[in-house]
Amino acid sequence: KQEVTQIPAALSVPEGENLVLNCSFTDSAIYNLQWFRQDPGKGLTSLLLIQSSQREQTSGRLNASLDKSSGRSTLYIAASQPGDSATYLCAVRQRAGGATNKLIFGTGTLLAVQP
Amino acid sequence: GAVVSQHPSWVICKSGTSVKIECRSLDFQATTMFWYRQFPKQSLMLMATSNEGSKATYEQGVEKDKFLINHASLTLSTLTVTSAHPEDSSFYICSARPTLDTPQHFGDGTRLSIL
Repeated sequence: KQEVTQIPAALSVPEGENLVLNCSFTDSAIYNLQWFRQDPGKGLTSLLLIQSSQREQTSGRLNASLDKSSGRSTLYIAASQPGDSATYLCAVRQRAGGATNKLIFGTGTLLAVQP
Repeated sequence: GAVVSQHPSWVICKSGTSVKIECRSLDFQATTMFWYRQFPKQSLMLMATSNEGSKATYEQGVEKDKFLINHASLTLSTLTVTSAHPEDSSFYICSARPTLDTPQHFGDGTRLSIL
């Protein structure tokens, strides 16, 4: 059974700092991995999608990497801003059969960027 | 980009009432949509996978008769919470994706409060 864990559970940093969020998964047979952010009381906003054949994806100040063999992904945020404050979730999509339909979510990292 | 619209965003009603939540994919067709439930400070829990033109697939422990799902068209899925009780109060979020290789997008969620 796939399990997805995110470390740390919470993080507080001063504005301008670069930071890394970690995501680990137990089953490396994934189809792809997606990073989201969730603001309080809102749905999820998709940030980056990495296919299983890719090693990284970039969008603006965000860079996500994927090391499938070790079951790890990182989300790097450069020059953090107070507007980056949110909960960040990673989710993996399994490769096998009907389970390919499902996203399995991590536990989330609550990020606070202090002005 | 792809957008998923969810309505209503907030519902307060009396115990015993049935509540319908709509989920629409606005600029793509979705043969599959997903319904999630989220408790405070927890990650998303998949309730069911909604399949256009056929029965929904429910996750273990989710009551089919309590949470009725209808996927009547390629752009609309509905979740009806039947005879809702206070324990059904939660944040419900729908999701859809154009294809397996594209990002999965989420609605803004529905806050359901049963008095």
